[in-house]
Amino acid sequence: DQQVKQNSPSLSVQEGRISILNCDYTNSMFDYFLWYKKYPAEGPTFLISISSIKDKNEDGRFTVFLNKSAKHLSLHIVPSQPGDSAVYFCAATASLINSGGSNYKLTFGKGTLLTVNP
Amino acid sequence: DSGVTQTPKHLITATGQRVTLRCSPRSGDLSVYWYQQSLDQGLQFLIQYYNGEERAKGNILERFSAQQFPDLHSELNLSSLELGDSALYFCASSDLAGVRYNEQFFGPGTRLTVL
Repeated sequence: DQQVKQNSPSLSVQEGRISILNCDYTNSMFDYFLWYKKYPAEGPTFLISISSIKDKNEDGRFTVFLNKSAKHLSLHIVPSQPGDSAVYFCAATASLINSGGSNYKLTFGKGTLLTVNP
Repeated sequence: DSGVTQTPKHLITATGQRVTLRCSPRSGDLSVYWYQQSLDQGLQFLIQYYNGEERAKGNILERFSAQQFPDLHSELNLSSLELGDSALYFCASSDLAGVRYNEQFFGPGTRLTVL
């Protein structure tokens, strides 16, 4: 049972355009969402996050939108750059109250390979 | 550089063998997580330790075990290895008491190949 789903295995965009990566989740207990970027032969790197009490969080070229009613979040990258080419993972976690403990384990989607063409 | 270190970077071994993967968390982080990334499963949570104590278990096989030592480094022990255990194993750490308590910082991973 996949609780976090990234339905697009890959996405290709032109440099300078917008990249939109999507993620859906099923577990209502999730209250914090993160995006990680991963280059080959490296570990995932934290990119941006959003709490369930917000619907948008922005950090430079990166914006994450959360639609709780639809259990959907998206990552927008504007403008896209060739260096953004990587696998992007959506992850979710339940906080102390929701998880009933303090593990904060991350549940990941399978990732989307973004290719930004010059 | 996340500040999380993992050794070795690569490990090649045979079926039935036992290996130990090592992780040093970021300075000050008390919580360590282990994840497995296989080709078709994405990143799967295995186990979490907090200040030396096991805090949560995920999809970890009984052949696998872990521990966190007083200096906070952690080891993941994999025994009776099978071909299907070939994967990338990541360690992550977090500061559960800090402002960024929900964020985990990942090491570069250990690539295990079982032949």
